[in-house]
Parts: sequence; structure tokens; C-alpha cells
Amino acid sequence: DQQVKQNSPSLSVQEGRISILNCDYTNSMFDYFLWYKKYPAEGPTFLISISSIKDKNEDGRFTVFLNKSAKHLSLHIVPSQPGDSAVYFCAASLDGSSNTGKLIFGQGTTLQVKP
Amino acid sequence: EPEVTQTPSHQVTQMGQEVILRCVPISNHLYFYWYRQILGQKVEFLVSFYNNEISEKSEIFDDQFSVERPDGSNFTLKIRSTKLEDSAMYFCASFGGDEKLFFGSGTQLSVL
Repeated sequence: DQQVKQNSPSLSVQEGRISILNCDYTNSMFDYFLWYKKYPAEGPTFLISISSIKDKNEDGRFTVFLNKSAKHLSLHIVPSQPGDSAVYFCAASLDGSSNTGKLIFGQGTTLQVKP
Repeated sequence: EPEVTQTPSHQVTQMGQEVILRCVPISNHLYFYWYRQILGQKVEFLVSFYNNEISEKSEIFDDQFSVERPDGSNFTLKIRSTKLEDSAMYFCASFGGDEKLFFGSGTQLSVL
């Protein structure tokens, strides 16, 4: 059951350039999407989210884009910094995240930002 | 920033033994969760807990698993008779209704 898919297990970019992490989903009932970042030996930490009624949300260097017709979202990091090197998880919620913390995660993409 | 605290960070046990994983959620949160991540696989939802009862559980959360909030601050996950396939990183999380799910650092459970 792969309702949320991150097809790229890894991504390597140069410091200062843009990182684009992609996520696809199959369930059209998902109404909230989130990105989490995870460093080794730590739990996932919330990065940014987007409601299904929007197509873009921006927070500093991080922007999430949602294309509902394509069931696709992406996370853009501009400019990328070495400290951004981590595993990034895409996650989706069925119930509207204001009421639930039950999330369905993708497999994760390991981002490496080279100095 | 507030933290979810999990203990122990590592737990090694023999197959068939009972283990209890402990978590202290963020104090004013009302929703609590356990997730797990088997090495190389996705983070998977196990169970959610609200108002002192399970509100939802996944297929993984069978009769060998139980959760409890014994004293109003700790939130525990018990596995009664561990199996090899229970080896995973177990994450506790809590939610205050503001769109952020806060995760602990996890307990790495190794079943031998």
C-alpha cells in the first residue's frame, strides 16, 4: 500500500543551488500535506505544510507546491545549505491535520548538500 | 521549543520477552501517537490515543501491543511477547491541534 511515494531515494546538490524534492500520492481524499526533516538519531521534525485548498506555501527558504490534478507535491529549498543535509519525508493526512496527527509517510529522500 | 522525550534510546531484548517503551509527551498536548520505522522502510503509524483511550490503530497494532497513560504524564507502548520483526525504531509523538506533530528521538528496539 504505497499511498505516498517518494521515488527518489537520494538527491545531491551543491551549496547555494536549489533542491527539489518530489512526492506523489494516490489517494485523492488526502487534504493536508506535510514535509518532515530527519537527522540521524533524531525524530522527524516538522518543516512545512500545505492544505489541499492551496497550491503553494512558503516559509523562508522552503516552499511547498501542490498540484492536485497530478497528485504531486514538491519541496523547494533555495538556497540549499550543508545543514539541510538530512532525510526528508513527505506525509499526508486524511482528516484535516487540525484534528489529527495520523500521518501517512513516504519512504523518504536523503538530501546531501555539498559545500 | 517543547520536546517529546523517549526512554530508553536503545533497547535490546530476547524474542518472547516483554518490553515497555516510555514517552513523555509535551505537557499541554492531548493527542498521543506511536509510530515505527523498520530499517530502510517507511515511518508507519501504529496507534493514536486521546482522552485515555485508543482512538485509532493500524493493522500492525495487534493484541501483542498495548498503550497506556498511567500517570497523566508518561505514555507507554508495551509489546507483550516480542518477535524478531518487531525490531525497529519506535517514535512517540504528540499533537496539540496546531498542525504540527512533535516526534521524540525514538527508541531503537532490537529483538534477538
